[in-house]
Amino acid sequence: DTEVTQTPKHLVMGMTNKKSLKCEQHMGHRAMYWYKQKAKKPPELMFVYSYEKLSINESVPSRFSPECPNSSLLNLHLHALQPEDSALYLCASSNDRGFYEQYFGPGTRLTVT
Amino acid sequence: AQSVTQLGSHVSVSEGALVLLRCNYSSSVPPYLFWYVQYPNQGLQLLLKYTTGATLVKGINGFEAEFKKSETSFHLTKPSAHMSDAAEYFCAVSEVQGGYQKVTFGIGTKLQVIP
Repeated sequence: DTEVTQTPKHLVMGMTNKKSLKCEQHMGHRAMYWYKQKAKKPPELMFVYSYEKLSINESVPSRFSPECPNSSLLNLHLHALQPEDSALYLCASSNDRGFYEQYFGPGTRLTVT
Repeated sequence: AQSVTQLGSHVSVSEGALVLLRCNYSSSVPPYLFWYVQYPNQGLQLLLKYTTGATLVKGINGFEAEFKKSETSFHLTKPSAHMSDAAEYFCAVSEVQGGYQKVTFGIGTKLQVIP
């Protein structure tokens, strides 16, 4: 199974809402990533978890809060977002041996109104 | 710091023609190089990768790329374009840091295939 799943596929939220994005993989990968992708742009790294510990936070605003409950799951908690946070949010995972290619999920299309 | 330059944000080819998407990289260490494809409203799918060894790398869907260290290039080619190849293509370079990758993506090249 080389699949990374993400839920929901689409999310519309107001600026005062709290919501969460979920990501799951069952490939035994020990590194998981959140990316943000705006239209016609490459993905931008937000967070990296390695062995369930936060390894990289690319100066992401605190209204985005990641969580890694176990080695298969990655969440992104959203609170008080701004319209400019509307984007495609991609989750990826990679193993900790070999050559580390990342496997991407299909993404969550987030619209902040 | 590593970086990637993709020449041409849009490339148009006729169906059946050669596809050539250009990528140059900068890295302070021997690079790991990747090409990913993204179809509209989908995630990224790995096309191929160069890590070590053979410099001509074959990937999925008939694509291949050649690592040329002297030119710091990793151009993507396909002999004959299909309509289904129309998508966004990202070249990427990565550094491995203690059990995870830090990937730097190019700006992407949108491939249009004309019937």
